[in-house]
Amino acid sequence: AQKVTQAQTEISVVEKEDVTLDCVYETRDTTYYLFWYKQPPSGELVFLIRRNSFDEQNEISGRYSWNFQKSTSSFNFTITASQVVDSAVYFCALRGRTSGSRLTFGEGTQLTVNP
Amino acid sequence: ETGVTQTPRHLVMGMTNKKSLKCEQHLGHNAMYWYKQSAKKPLELMFVYNFKEQTENNSVPSRFSPECPNSSHLFLHLHTLQPEDSALYLCASSQGQDAYGYTFGSGTRLTVV
Repeated sequence: AQKVTQAQTEISVVEKEDVTLDCVYETRDTTYYLFWYKQPPSGELVFLIRRNSFDEQNEISGRYSWNFQKSTSSFNFTITASQVVDSAVYFCALRGRTSGSRLTFGEGTQLTVNP
Repeated sequence: ETGVTQTPRHLVMGMTNKKSLKCEQHLGHNAMYWYKQSAKKPLELMFVYNFKEQTENNSVPSRFSPECPNSSHLFLHLHTLQPEDSALYLCASSQGQDAYGYTFGSGTRLTVV
């Protein structure tokens, strides 16, 4: 069975603050893929990043960074110097090698960045 | 037009109506998916199609009937729905099932009255 937990249901910050969204996952697969998606009010899920289980290197893309730690089964997402446009629901997702096409999503974290 | 397009964006239907949701992708992908997003719940995978063939049905009630006439189009036919079926229905596509990432449409917000 696979499970993704995003313990933070809602986060509210003031613009320019740094914010970290937590993601903890469970899987029995030794090969798996982790994803982050952003869902703005318009509804579509926008792909942000994919990580495979053999690549624990942290990644930075502009103001976004991801911290993957297999030892704690976590794949956290940090936004540096947040902006109002970052306000959205963010989903962490997992696909195990044996789960075919199935993406297991967390329940999402609603991020609100206030001016 | 690029990406994944879903129509209509909003739909209100009675429990005795029959309606269809449409999804179209112009990305050359060969796998397409229907997801359901209900309030306060994680996204749920409903159906998977790969090269027009259904490869996964996640125990979805028969009042939801998918159709995939080709790799670019996916439909979800709805009939005799229940109010609890009200949700955002998202379509996605990918290049193969072992995909780098899924491209999602903007969804159809369905309200069953």
